[in-house]
Amino acid sequence: LAKTTQPISMDSYEGQEVNITCSHNNIATNDYITWYQQFPSQGPRFIIQGYKTKVTNEVASLFIPADRKSSTLSLPRVSLSDTAVYYCLVGEGSSNTGKLIFGQGTTLQVKP
Amino acid sequence: DAGVIQSPRHEVTEMGQEVTLRCKPISGHNSLFWYRQTMMRGLELLIYFNNNVPIDDSGMPEDRFSAKMPNASFSTLKIQPSEPRDSAVYFCASSFQEQDEQFFGPGTRLTVL
Repeated sequence: LAKTTQPISMDSYEGQEVNITCSHNNIATNDYITWYQQFPSQGPRFIIQGYKTKVTNEVASLFIPADRKSSTLSLPRVSLSDTAVYYCLVGEGSSNTGKLIFGQGTTLQVKP
Repeated sequence: DAGVIQSPRHEVTEMGQEVTLRCKPISGHNSLFWYRQTMMRGLELLIYFNNNVPIDDSGMPEDRFSAKMPNASFSTLKIQPSEPRDSAVYFCASSFQEQDEQFFGPGTRLTVL
C-alpha cells in the first residue's frame, strides 16, 4: 500500500474553501484514492473516492492530477461542523481493498 | 438501518482481566473489520473478516488478542489477559464487499488500570 503524506493541521474560517493536499508518490496503477473524515469520539466516515481527474459529490471535490502522485480534497464554504480529522488513503481496487492504512491525518480547525 | 453496533461503549477493567468487545455489522454486509485507535499509534487495522472467515490478522498485536465471527451478524474481539497498554478506542467497521466503503461503529473506549 502506498504511503501518504498530508499536513498535520490546518486552520480556516467559516465560509472559506479549504483544500487539503495529500502526497502519494508511490501510488500504483490499480490504486484508488479515498478520503475519510473523523469527528471526535466517532469512527471515521467515508467522504469521497477517485482514480483520476476530478470527482465531486454533495460534500466535497477531489482533484487528482495526471501523474496521480498527489490529490487535493476541496471542501467548499466550510462551517464550524467541518472541524474534524481528514485522512487520505491509497489502496488497490475500486476502494482500498479491505486493508485501510490510516496515517496521522490532517486536523482541520474551522474558526468563526 | 441502525448502522454498526458496538458494545460496550465504555469498559474499565483491571490488568489481567479478560475483556470482550462485541460488534454487530450492518445487515447484508459481508466484510467486518476491527481497528484500534490511540494517540500514539493512530488508527490501526487489527483484523478483518470476509464472509465470517478471517482474511488478514497481521495487525493483531500478540497472542493475547483474538477475534471471532461465528455468524454474519456478530463478532467479538477478546483480550486475555488485558494490560494497561491495551487502553484505546476499538472500532468495528463493516462493508458490503471487502473493497467497498467501510462504515464504522461508535467505538468502545477501553481503559485497563
